[in-house]
Amino acid sequence: GAGVSQSPSNKVTEKGKDVELRCDPISGHTALYWYRQSLGQGLEFLIYFQGNSAPDKSGLPSDRFSAERTGGSVSTLTIQRTQQEDSAVYLCASSPGAQVRIQPQHFGDGTRLSIL
Amino acid sequence: AQRVTQPEKLLSVFKGAPVELKCNYSYSGSPELFWYVQYSRQRLQLLLRHISRESIKGFTADLNKGETSFHLKKPFAQEEDSAMYYCALRFYNTDKLIFGTGTRLQVFP
Repeated sequence: GAGVSQSPSNKVTEKGKDVELRCDPISGHTALYWYRQSLGQGLEFLIYFQGNSAPDKSGLPSDRFSAERTGGSVSTLTIQRTQQEDSAVYLCASSPGAQVRIQPQHFGDGTRLSIL
Repeated sequence: AQRVTQPEKLLSVFKGAPVELKCNYSYSGSPELFWYVQYSRQRLQLLLRHISRESIKGFTADLNKGETSFHLKKPFAQEEDSAMYYCALRFYNTDKLIFGTGTRLQVFP
């Protein structure tokens, strides 16, 4: 595709509900990243997928957060039993990955998640 | 621990004034640093990287290993430079980036 696509663009849900956020990376990009962008916190790394390697989950804030990447392409970030502090913009990025020189990350528009 | 610090949340200047957005890092290896920018209603995108030693839209950034800094500078700010700027550090030999908390630059006419 032309760029990284994320859906939905906005999500409002009640506290305690589960949510799924989707990311379609740029075709051919092997690396995929999830970040959380909130006021005062900047860009917080959540998880990183690189090809068939085990994902780097070191940034996930709690076990309510999980992500998967099927077929090395589309990724889904799932937040279970949402809390109000989960309200933020969730950004996805992809890059060609596996290069000698690090490649720029291409970001999507993000999903704005609001927990009531 | 690897860390990127951007001490200013907001920087306001008038058009034509010089601007410097500060970035300091903590890293045990040989660092690779980047500046990303997010204009209003646009996606976050790469502005420049220290390896390239380039000037993009009049901005430059020099890596100072002694001061562990990578400040972003422009001699004459323009209104269209108003945006959110993030400094980022490559995490060892991975594609993972550690971002700072960002600085919002406001350029007034």
